Order: sequence, then C-alpha cells, then structure tokens
Amino acid sequence: GEDVEQSLFLSVREGDSSVINCTYTDSSSTYLYWYKQEPGAGLQLLTYIFSNMDMKQDQRLTVLLNKKDKHLSLRIADTQTGDSAIYFCAEWDNAGNMLTFGGGTRLMVKP
Amino acid sequence: DAGVTQSPTHLIKTRGQQVTLRCSPKSGHDTVSWYQQALGQGPQFIFQYYEEEERQRGNFPDRFSGHQFPNYSSELNVNALLLGDSALYLCASSLGLMNTEAFFGQGTRLTVV
Repeated sequence: GEDVEQSLFLSVREGDSSVINCTYTDSSSTYLYWYKQEPGAGLQLLTYIFSNMDMKQDQRLTVLLNKKDKHLSLRIADTQTGDSAIYFCAEWDNAGNMLTFGGGTRLMVKP
Repeated sequence: DAGVTQSPTHLIKTRGQQVTLRCSPKSGHDTVSWYQQALGQGPQFIFQYYEEEERQRGNFPDRFSGHQFPNYSSELNVNALLLGDSALYLCASSLGLMNTEAFFGQGTRLTVV
C-alpha cells in the first residue's frame, strides 16, 4: 500500500528558509499536497502540485517534486514565527479517492 | 462563505458508548470524507460519502458508520467505543467524487475514558 514519510522535527531561525521533505511510494499519485496544522486546529491546505510538474511557487512557498525519486519538498522563504506548526505531506490515491498523509513535520521557528 | 463546520468541538465518552459527530460541508461542495487523527500522527481515511452513499472506505471496522443527508451534511457514528478511538476526527469536503481539492473542518476532539 501507499506510504508517506516525513522527518519529525525541524527548527529554524526567524528570517531563514525552511525546507520540509517528504517521500512517497505510490508512483501513480496524480496530486501531492502540503497541509498546515496549528495547535488545536484542523488542516489548512497550503498548496498542491500536479505530478507532471517539477516545481510550483506561491508567494513564500516553493514546492519541488522529484518524481523519479518520489521526493517532495516544501520551502518556506523568510520563515516567520507564525509559520510554527505541523506540516503534513499527502498524496492523492486515485483508486481509493482519498488522501494518504505522512506523519507530519513539526516546524519550530525561533525568534 | 462558511467553510467546513463540525460539531461538537470536544466530546468525552465512556468505553462502550456510542457517539455521533456532525459535519456541514463548504457551500457548493457535495462530497464529504472523514479522517481520524490520533495524537502525534497524520490523519487516516475512514470513508467518503457522495450522493448519500458510502463510496470508499479505509481500514476501519464496522463500528464506524456514517450517513449523508440530502443537503450534503454528514454524520459519523462510532459504536462500542474503545479507548483507542480517542482522536481528532476531521471532516473534509470537496466538489464531485473525483475532485482532489479537499477543505477540512476544525475537527471534533473525542476522548474515550
């Protein structure tokens, strides 16, 4: 079955760039997503990328997709304390019509 | 424009009891999916409803059941609660069965004691 892996924790200083990485196993995934979850809250869709793209940029967010290595990354430029949250990578399972999530990466931004 | 709304926000139940959680999808959306998020983990897909029918189901026992109403709102029912059912239950809505842009509610935090 599908499996999505993420590192557990990332700490950066305010103003630096953050890079959160994710690997997935389902080569047939058509869409890959990044969601943000703040404490006690639901999931906020940040951005997503179609599998025929290598890169997508949206303001401070840059998504890179290496389909050969099944590797997805999210770069946050000029990271702010308000970016502190858990970030989830997810892939769209075409067969199951569902999202398969990684375990989440906790981003801590130090002032 | 209201987003996805879930009720209640928090709930405490005793082992063996039954619980019903509710979800109203984002305006214009007709498909509702439910996810379970245990503490410290990513969300796990429970099932999806479209046109008032369960369309897809994840690896959850029959104690988990659901319903979708004509106005597209949905309920998640869990019978014979176990301590391990304690989790954040998230509802996601989208437009159409194959739509891949899902919006999530704030979730219902269920604690089983």
